[in-house]
Amino acid sequence: NAGVTQTPKFRILKIGQSMTLQCTQDMNHNYMYWYRQDPGMGLKLIYYSVGAGITDKGEVPNGYNVSRSTTEDFPLRLELAAPSQTSVYFCASSYSNGGQYFGPGTRLTVT
Amino acid sequence: QQPVQSPQAVILREGEDAVINCSSSKALYSVHWYRQKHGEAPVFLMILLKGGEQKGHDKISASFNEKKQQSSLYLTASQLSYSGTYFCGTEGNQAGTALIFGKGTTLSVSS
Repeated sequence: NAGVTQTPKFRILKIGQSMTLQCTQDMNHNYMYWYRQDPGMGLKLIYYSVGAGITDKGEVPNGYNVSRSTTEDFPLRLELAAPSQTSVYFCASSYSNGGQYFGPGTRLTVT
Repeated sequence: QQPVQSPQAVILREGEDAVINCSSSKALYSVHWYRQKHGEAPVFLMILLKGGEQKGHDKISASFNEKKQQSSLYLTASQLSYSGTYFCGTEGNQAGTALIFGKGTTLSVSS
């Protein structure tokens, strides 16, 4: 049981490049989430999904896109990367009314 | 709206107790508590649902006062392993709404 896995662990992007952060969970959770965490700050919700085919915006969705075609996978797409997107990105999953289980994170630097 | 955590930081010696508070200006369905160690992902501690229940987990417990929209996390007889940043996450007035996290409380326990 791997829990929540994220790839890559680290990435450096140039301004204007695009990339996809991968997230997979094997706990059969229906809810999945993407957060970003800036240094010394709390977690900001980017997008979340309550089930396959259903996604919704969080607090800071601009510059990102998501899709949820399966229960297990919830990729986050960055289009036209900007320095303001430098952050640590966490994916998480849960049952409804349950605690969230986080992946190890992806450290992204945009220069 | 983001919940307010207090205090921002706590310094303890092993064996001492601490209380971390989380307040919201909106009615809440649930409050979550997480601990994050430096460079790691947040780890789920407990969830408290509307109803004012108190939960415990070893020497860490929490309460939820629904009428005041407040939750408190109690750390008893602290251990070195308790060091980290504690976040509360609040869920709006019904199940299925996304969590909003506070800015965190940093706890440092020394021997």
